[in-house]
Amino acid sequence: SAVISQKPSRDICQRGTSLTIQCQVDSQVTMMFWYRQQPGQSLTLIATANQGSEATYESGFVIDKFPISRPNLTFSTLTVSNMSPEDSSIYLCSVEGLTETQYFGPGTRLLVL
Amino acid sequence: DAKTTQPPSMDCAEGRAANLPCNHSTISGNEYVYWYRQIHSQGPQYIIHGLKNNETNEMASLIITEDRKSSTLILPHATLRDTAVYYCIVWGSQGNLIFGKGTKLSVKP
Repeated sequence: SAVISQKPSRDICQRGTSLTIQCQVDSQVTMMFWYRQQPGQSLTLIATANQGSEATYESGFVIDKFPISRPNLTFSTLTVSNMSPEDSSIYLCSVEGLTETQYFGPGTRLLVL
Repeated sequence: DAKTTQPPSMDCAEGRAANLPCNHSTISGNEYVYWYRQIHSQGPQYIIHGLKNNETNEMASLIITEDRKSSTLILPHATLRDTAVYYCIVWGSQGNLIFGKGTKLSVKP
């Protein structure tokens, strides 16, 4: 299994600001994913980030709000732009391993005031 | 929408086996059954997955019915640390993991 770290682990932000979340993997992976988990809810996929191509966003999520970078095979960032209290969530990255299994990072807990 | 149906909650006594059911009646031939769990506000943890044969690893056993329309995750000796939300997910090589609401398992002393 892959070892995944995320930074920051948590943050409290003011509305209207932006936060960039980093995801680092200990091995090279092709597929990386970003999820959101709103309070008391299950996980929802935001986008798929493949190295060397534009991220693919799910319905209801747009690049202007959640820009994603994928500069290499071990790293990705998700930015939550122009934040509002509704963006308060846990943001999780995951990667697809060799056996078509996804492994998740520990998550970033975001509170927007 | 999630392709699986799970009970919203279950209780289990510490030391006993926890049997978590999942219905996936619309599963297609190339789709696997995956199980993850999420312990309070942590990232989901992969447990096990299978196609049609029963599977066992150090964490759990997965029993899939012959028609593949349902499965059961078995934690043979549940501990308090197994208290978590357990997600049953049907996933093929195409498409994305779709998380339903899962089963909240409470292991009680």
